[in-house]
Amino acid sequence: DAKTTQPNSMESNEEEPVHLPCNHSTISGTDYIHWYRQLPSQGPEYVIHGLTSNVNNRMASLAIAEDRKSSTLILHRATLRDAAVYYCILRNNAGNMLTFGGGTRLMVKP
Amino acid sequence: GAVVSQHPSRVICKSGTSVKIECRSLDFQATTMFWYRQFPKQSLMLMATSNEGSKATYEQGVEKDKFLINHASLTLSTLTVTSAHPEDSSFYICSAGAGGGEEQFFGPGTRLTVL
Repeated sequence: DAKTTQPNSMESNEEEPVHLPCNHSTISGTDYIHWYRQLPSQGPEYVIHGLTSNVNNRMASLAIAEDRKSSTLILHRATLRDAAVYYCILRNNAGNMLTFGGGTRLMVKP
Repeated sequence: GAVVSQHPSRVICKSGTSVKIECRSLDFQATTMFWYRQFPKQSLMLMATSNEGSKATYEQGVEKDKFLINHASLTLSTLTVTSAHPEDSSFYICSAGAGGGEEQFFGPGTRLTVL
């Protein structure tokens, strides 16, 4: 499976935008870019996914580089409840399991 | 969205006993469910893929005789940790996909502590 690289941790101030980067230089043409997040002592939850075009949903936006070798998850206005570990994952088949890397621990300061 | 539940949420047991963890898809059917294990301050590690009506597929290094998986119906998969030891203490999480969609739905996890 193609790997992803994320910073170990990031800090943000409450109510400010947050940009979480992910590098995936070995991504294949059929890999979708998925983002999940895990709040403390909970199972992960889906955030967003995309293939080539930028994507928006009620939780976040996903900006995908033109060469697809990197992407950025954007939280438009961070809240304290957004403090979690964010995982960027590549997946080439909807039936496949998710392979989790280290993720980015996001800390949100009031 | 679809909901996956796990039971129990927390279990403490003595070394040598067996523990069963249930994973249920509450409002959808899942022919495939996944079991993960997560140690403190680490990422999730896939243990096995649970297939309804057939044998589970285990990841390398996961003992199939120690971690028994049964997926007897389209809404229930169980993971039994047999002869549990303190090193099996971990956070166990299951997931399932609904209707072939891209999103995986995760259970809330089961924290196992083996004394």
